[in-house]
Amino acid sequence: ELKVEQNPLFLSMREEKNYTIYCNYSTTSDRLYWYRQDPGKSLESLFVLLSNGAVKQEGRLMASLDTKARLSTLHITAAVHDLSATYFCAVGRGRYGNKLVFGAGTILRVKS
Amino acid sequence: DAGITQSPRYKITETGRQVTLMCHQTWSHSYMFWYRQDLGHGLRLIYYSAAADITDKGEVPDGYVVSRSKTENFPLTLESATRSQTSVYFCASRPGGDTDTQYFGPGTRLTVL
Repeated sequence: ELKVEQNPLFLSMREEKNYTIYCNYSTTSDRLYWYRQDPGKSLESLFVLLSNGAVKQEGRLMASLDTKARLSTLHITAAVHDLSATYFCAVGRGRYGNKLVFGAGTILRVKS
Repeated sequence: DAGITQSPRYKITETGRQVTLMCHQTWSHSYMFWYRQDLGHGLRLIYYSAAADITDKGEVPDGYVVSRSKTENFPLTLESATRSQTSVYFCASRPGGDTDTQYFGPGTRLTVL
């Protein structure tokens, strides 16, 4: 059974600081997705990582995938208040990775 | 407006009643999904569909029924609602092919009393 663990589950940061969210998973997969969710809202796709060594960046967020270590990271550079949200990683199983298994989510609060 | 919509957005029902949650997408995506979101569990897949008339179980299918007679619609039915089915339900869709993500609807908050 595939298990996906995110660390930390809650992160309180100061603006302009850097930090990393970790996503570990228990069985082999080369499909990893990151989503953002604002309170009371739906999920917004951030990154799709489809191979070992994949790295993608968008603004202050950078995601990477190490399939051998079964680890993905979401790095936040110089955090700003607008990044406050819950971040989920999800690992894809089955054909085209359709069966997503989500981590529990990391609640990020950026304080000025 | 194009996209993925869910109805109702909020629903309160009683134990034992049948409830149907609707999902509609205008993108003609092949795949559609139903998830439930509960505190501490992230999202869990209930059912998904690869095309009209093709459905498959996800992680937590018990107590739920789905159908997909048209590509754009994917209703989820709770045949006899239980309190443990109180949750936020998200529908999602994605195109066919290998590289794309899933796109989520706005969610339905269901309370079973």
